[in-house]
Amino acid sequence: KAGVTQTPRYLIKTRGQQVTLSCSPISGHRSVSWYQQTPGQGLQFLFEYFSETQRNKGNFPGRFSGRQFSNSRSEMNVSTLELGDSALYLCASRSSGYEQYFGPGTRLTVT
Amino acid sequence: KNQVEQSPQSLIILEGKNCTLQCNYTVSPFSNLRWYKQDTGRGPVSLTIMTFSENTKSNGRYTATLDADTKQSSLHITASQLSDSASYICVVSLNTGGFKTIFGAGTRLFVKA
Repeated sequence: KAGVTQTPRYLIKTRGQQVTLSCSPISGHRSVSWYQQTPGQGLQFLFEYFSETQRNKGNFPGRFSGRQFSNSRSEMNVSTLELGDSALYLCASRSSGYEQYFGPGTRLTVT
Repeated sequence: KNQVEQSPQSLIILEGKNCTLQCNYTVSPFSNLRWYKQDTGRGPVSLTIMTFSENTKSNGRYTATLDADTKQSSLHITASQLSDSASYICVVSLNTGGFKTIFGAGTRLFVKA
């Protein structure tokens, strides 16, 4: 079974721009969660989607948004990028249990 | 407040030696505790998952313990290898009907030859 895939793997953007990241979960997994990871901060929860509905949301500004499609693929969008948005963005999928499977991440650099 | 604290923040050991990483949590109601290994620039990979009734779980050279009374967990690595150099993250899930997880900040392990 293929693992969680994320595209692109690396991205460089300029302040003020917007960016869209993509995540394809493991086949059959309907839940996708997104996390931001910065040095020294650990993983910070962004949001979780299940069957195209956002079920949980972390404490991030409205510039961070996401969606999930009927095939469970998910996208995350960040508008009006700031330097502090530079991070590794991880998505994780799961089926009905608590075990999460993480993708390799997208490294976003904002200059 | 639901929190997961890990110690030490970082650790350097010689190849072949054993080490133990600690995780203390103040999460309630508790559902399960997981340990992940994360190589630099990669996504975390699950090592073990333990529920309330389990107090030991092994995965090769990795052995996790859980004391639900004291709300402490440890990850013991036996006969360390250079490839064990990574961050180890403790994650606790709440039993709230939804899926809520609290992540520790991780312990950065360096294994030297």
